[in-house]
Amino acid sequence: AQRVTQPEKLLSVFKGAPVELKCNYSYSGSPELFWYVQYSRQRLQLLLRHISRESIKGFTADLNKGETSFHLKKPFAQEEDSAMYYCALSEGTDKLIFGTGTRLQVFP
Amino acid sequence: DTAVSQTPKYLVTQMGNDKSIKCEQNLGHDTMYWYKQDSKKFLKIMFSYNNKELIINETVPNRFSPKSPDKAHLNLHINSLELGDSAVYFCASSPPASGVGTQYFGPGTRLLVL
Repeated sequence: AQRVTQPEKLLSVFKGAPVELKCNYSYSGSPELFWYVQYSRQRLQLLLRHISRESIKGFTADLNKGETSFHLKKPFAQEEDSAMYYCALSEGTDKLIFGTGTRLQVFP
Repeated sequence: DTAVSQTPKYLVTQMGNDKSIKCEQNLGHDTMYWYKQDSKKFLKIMFSYNNKELIINETVPNRFSPKSPDKAHLNLHINSLELGDSAVYFCASSPPASGVGTQYFGPGTRLLVL
């Protein structure tokens, strides 16, 4: 069963527009959720984790247990935000389950 | 540079061959992982090791055999390569006490089986 769902394969916006990358999860325990980002020709890297409640590069993500969602948001997209974004769920202490990823394209 | 490194970056080979991919991390982490990213960019865990011990083996064919000579290295050997093995393979590591969510990834090894 798919544990992490990212419904959009591709999201295209213009520079300055708001961005919301959707992520829904299914997990019976107490979830830990993360967003990872892969810029072109770079390695996958951790962007943020829900526990930290931080804003990184203008991105925020709030865990909504009622809707089982962890959407990634940014009020004003920049061209350098263009990348592949993966939502991930920590399943216990053993492994991360990644979503299928969403490619964000920000046009000038 | 402190990082997770993989060799080789690219690997092109014929079906039926045996090949290895090496991974090293100098971050002092205890846990290391191998992931496979297919052509649709889907990233799936294959194995994880903690202090040289196998923790996770995710329904991966027996042709894939990880080896961890020490906690800084996790190599992946693949026997009898098949077309479907073509993918990007990522190594990752995570520090102790940080939980599995904080992982540091290598640059990936792009494997093409002809």
